[in-house]
Amino acid sequence: SQKIEQNSEALNIQEGKTATLTCNYTNYSPAYLQWYRQDPGRGPVFLLLIRENEKEKRKERLKVTFDTTLKQSLFHITASQPADSATYLCALGPGGYNKLIFGAGTRLAVHP
Amino acid sequence: GAVVSQHPSWVICKSGTSVKIECRSLDFQATTMFWYRQFPKQSLMLMATSNEGSKATYEQGVEKDKFLINHASLTLSTLTVTSAHPEDSSFYICSVTIGQWDGYTFGSGTRLTVV
Repeated sequence: SQKIEQNSEALNIQEGKTATLTCNYTNYSPAYLQWYRQDPGRGPVFLLLIRENEKEKRKERLKVTFDTTLKQSLFHITASQPADSATYLCALGPGGYNKLIFGAGTRLAVHP
Repeated sequence: GAVVSQHPSWVICKSGTSVKIECRSLDFQATTMFWYRQFPKQSLMLMATSNEGSKATYEQGVEKDKFLINHASLTLSTLTVTSAHPEDSSFYICSVTIGQWDGYTFGSGTRLTVV
């Protein structure tokens, strides 16, 4: 069955450093991969989408890579700030108005 | 992206009663809305896809008679948890997307506690 794995352990980093989160998947060939931010008690907020034929996508301090051979995506936050502390979810989609499959998320804590 | 309003943000109900959760697309006519459920420290699990003017499509293992979905207009979908039990206590979230290559916009979620 389709499976998405994100590091369940919280990632603790120092302010100003680059945070790198990993998303691995199996038994799936997604048309795209998305990253979301979720704060406690809130719905997820869309950050970035990367298509299967794209290697890298950037948006301000965010960078996402997508390796369909390794079945892995890396999510980077450069010059991290305490305000970046949240849970980050990756999600895979087949394309079209279809359902997303979510990973469990990785909690990021940025310390001043 | 779209703007989605979900109401209520939290609700406490007694076991055996029914609870209705509303999801409104404020600036976008959504023919499709998605309902998710999230337990603490777990991923979002899709419960059903709500289709305007037709029956919802439920995911495997989700009881359609227990989780009633109505999508009567292009801007409103409702999820009714019928005969709620403590195990239905969870965080329920709706979402829409405006395009195939756009991200999904989520509501703020509803924390349901059944006592």
